[in-house]
Amino acid sequence: QLQLHESGPGLIRPSETLSLTCSVSGVPISSSNYYWGWIRQSPGKGLEWIGSVFYSGSTYYNPSLKNRVTISIDTSKSQFSLKLLSVRAADTAVFYCARRLSAAGNFDSWGRGTLVTV
Amino acid sequence: EMQLTQSPGTLSLSPGDRATLSCRASQSVNINNIAWYQQKPGQAPRLVLYGASNRATGIADNFSGSGSGTDFTLTITRLEPEDFAVYYCQQYDSSPRMYTFGQGTNLEI
Repeated sequence: QLQLHESGPGLIRPSETLSLTCSVSGVPISSSNYYWGWIRQSPGKGLEWIGSVFYSGSTYYNPSLKNRVTISIDTSKSQFSLKLLSVRAADTAVFYCARRLSAAGNFDSWGRGTLVTV
Repeated sequence: EMQLTQSPGTLSLSPGDRATLSCRASQSVNINNIAWYQQKPGQAPRLVLYGASNRATGIADNFSGSGSGTDFTLTITRLEPEDFAVYYCQQYDSSPRMYTFGQGTNLEI
């Protein structure tokens, strides 16, 4: 059974770089059947897709965040990671990692999320 | 830039009622790339429907979806207490690759 677990600092200062990791268990992260993504939700607000990564390392990002975001994957550790540069108060959010089936355009499994406060 | 507008913002109903939630896209959407999620307080979103009308694993058969082009609907018949939550629609663009969420509909008792 797939499990995704986000980890990272709960509190970060403005202008610093946010680093989050998603640990994947139950399915092979290196499968071509899946994409892996990050989505965030500001307090009391809706959902915003940040970016996604394929097992090969291929990435694509939300244009509104592209200049500040890097997503990478480490198949040996069954993890993928998010880096968000120069954070500000508006970046305070719950960050979720999620899986997308390659043949679908939706996220079928989500981690529980981690709150990051700037 | 694709935008999804959900209506109403809040829907107040009672158990046993029928709920109809709307999602309107600013451009025509591939029906295969429309999804709906349910989110309860303090929880991650849960996939409810994909491909506009296909129920995800474990979703009760009182959930159904329809629509095409720019207008999509999530219908919940015979509301159960556990169905009250915030619902988001989402679409996927393959070129450029981009996911967009609606702002949500709060289905409250």
